[in-house]
Amino acid sequence: AQSVTQLGSHVSVSEGALVLLRCNYSSSVPPYLFWYVQYPNQGLQLLLKYTTGATLVKGINGFEAEFKKSETSFHLTKPSAHMSDAAEYFCAVDSWGKLQFGAGTQVVVTP
Amino acid sequence: DADVTQTPRNRITKTGKRIMLECSQTKGHDRMYWYRQDPGLGLRLIYYSFDVKDINKGEISDGYSVSRQAQAKFSLSLESAIPNQTALYFCATSVPSKDVITQYFGPGTRLTVL
Repeated sequence: AQSVTQLGSHVSVSEGALVLLRCNYSSSVPPYLFWYVQYPNQGLQLLLKYTTGATLVKGINGFEAEFKKSETSFHLTKPSAHMSDAAEYFCAVDSWGKLQFGAGTQVVVTP
Repeated sequence: DADVTQTPRNRITKTGKRIMLECSQTKGHDRMYWYRQDPGLGLRLIYYSFDVKDINKGEISDGYSVSRQAQAKFSLSLESAIPNQTALYFCATSVPSKDVITQYFGPGTRLTVL
């Protein structure tokens, strides 16, 4: 069965600093991986996804993630945090047309 | 207008009451899903439907039922609500594609069971 683990339920970053959110997956088949973002009082919005091919995936709002099969990881990064990046971020793996989500990481951005 | 809508957006109810949460979509997608979100647990799948005649249980279906009235409508019912069903509920839709299935989420319904 597919599953994901997000390391760190809360992350605090300074405005302008690197954002790094960690996600490790477990999958018996080549995985399809996703990062979603949830802004306060809103639904989930797709940030980016990995299917096949290029292992560095670029998404919206300056985010990118790198698929590393040897490390079973799909970490999300953004070079310079903005106040508007404050939100909860979810990593997910496709499981036969259904999504298996991680527990989420709350990002706080400080001035 | 939003592609995936959920009604109501907020609901407070009492233990033992029957409640229905509704989801409508204008995306024309065949697949629809219901999730619940709890702090520290992420989103967990309750039920999913790959077409109008297809209903499947997810990992936490106990205490819930669903109805797929049409391609565009997928309702979630709590037959007898209990306090541990207090959560944020999301509906999502998707359509198969040649590469990977992306899900699109509604804005959520916040349910409180007293």
